[in-house]
Amino acid sequence: QKEVEQDPGPLSVPEGAIVSLNCTYSNSAFQYFMWYRQYSRKGPELLMYTYSSGNKEDGRFTAQVDKSSKYISLFIRDSQPSDSATYLCANGGRDDKIIFGKGTRLHILP
Amino acid sequence: DGGITQSPKYLFRKEGQNVTLSCEQNLNHDAMYWYRQDPGQGLRLIYYSQIVNDFQKGDIAEGYSVSREKKESFPLTVTSAQKNPTAFYLCASRYGPQDRGRVGNQPQHFGDGTRLSIL
Repeated sequence: QKEVEQDPGPLSVPEGAIVSLNCTYSNSAFQYFMWYRQYSRKGPELLMYTYSSGNKEDGRFTAQVDKSSKYISLFIRDSQPSDSATYLCANGGRDDKIIFGKGTRLHILP
Repeated sequence: DGGITQSPKYLFRKEGQNVTLSCEQNLNHDAMYWYRQDPGQGLRLIYYSQIVNDFQKGDIAEGYSVSREKKESFPLTVTSAQKNPTAFYLCASRYGPQDRGRVGNQPQHFGDGTRLSIL
């Protein structure tokens, strides 16, 4: 089984700081990348979805994909306490398989 | 509002009992999925269905069963054969290969889960 690896954390940063969350993946045939945010006792919520190398920006969130090094990042600018959650990265292919990382727990300190 | 509804939010199972978790979506998605989430384990795929009246086993299908009689509904039954059923169960859906005009793979969207515990 091809893997998606994430540091489980917890990662604690002060409010207003830039957060950097990272993943590595192993299956280069899987060309689609997603970031989900999951609050405690809730389902994952799709934050970002991209299929190309480079950056994709949406508000305070930027997803970055480097296919040459199989590295995925999510940057959160002006972090807020409401950003405290577990962040899952995922990698999918043309079939119906999506491989999820185990998640990184993020704490934003007021 | 369109979305995925899972019920109940909490469920308790007695020894030897089968229980059924409900998943309903009004997003007009063809494909639906069931995952199990355990602490430190990430999401593991139980079953998935790309179209009505068809479904496939995922990575951990033993002790579970599903049906897909309607596009909107994909119930999961946790049978007595599943010896360690305590977990957070998540249902997801997405536009599938049957949806015309959709280019490439589409991301999955999730419900808010059902937490199953043993009595």
